Amino acid sequence: EAGVAQSPRYKIIEKRQSVAFWCNPISGHATLYWYQQILGQGPKLLIQFQNNGVVDDSQLPKDRFSAERLKGVDSTLKIQPAKLEDSAVYLCASSFRRDRGTEAFFGQGTRLTVV
Amino acid sequence: GNSVTQMEGPVTLSEEAFLTINCTYTATGYPSLFWYVQYPGEGLQLLLKATKADDKGSNKGFEATYRKETTSFHLEKGSVQVSDSAVYFCALSEQAAGNKLTFGGGTRVLVKP
Repeated sequence: EAGVAQSPRYKIIEKRQSVAFWCNPISGHATLYWYQQILGQGPKLLIQFQNNGVVDDSQLPKDRFSAERLKGVDSTLKIQPAKLEDSAVYLCASSFRRDRGTEAFFGQGTRLTVV
Repeated sequence: GNSVTQMEGPVTLSEEAFLTINCTYTATGYPSLFWYVQYPGEGLQLLLKATKADDKGSNKGFEATYRKETTSFHLEKGSVQVSDSAVYFCALSEQAAGNKLTFGGGTRVLVKP
């Protein structure tokens, strides 16, 4: 079974530029999550999709971050304009079921450096 | 809100030593509890989980017991190997909140031969 695919793996941009990350979840997984992991910290949820609808975006800085999930499959996360504090690893995860204790499967992440 | 607190690292051990990583949580409901592991150069992967009180999760020689009375989920392994060197994350989720994960800060473990 193919895992969660993310691209690019690494990205370096200057502050105030824009950047986009792409995620392809495991086939058949209805739930998709984007997490932000700042160096030395645990991942923090940015946004959760169920199929192509947003379930939770309460922690997404909506003045600069946006996300969409096309046709309930692939997803893109965009930052515009980027700030220095956005330097982090952006993790995409997906899960198949909505049962209690359902496992989330993570991609390898995109490491963003804002200079 | 929900939160997870785990011991800070790094934890440095010799091979075959006993490992324990403490994890406590605060939750508004009745969460499921997880340990995820991140090996060098790899993505996060589930190590073990427990979904109700007194359940014990186990995998690869690691164990953790869901203790509702102490709101804890400590990770243990009796004899570590160099290959266990990684960052370990304790996490919780609640079905009513869409199963989104709330993570602790992570504990880096380094096992020396």
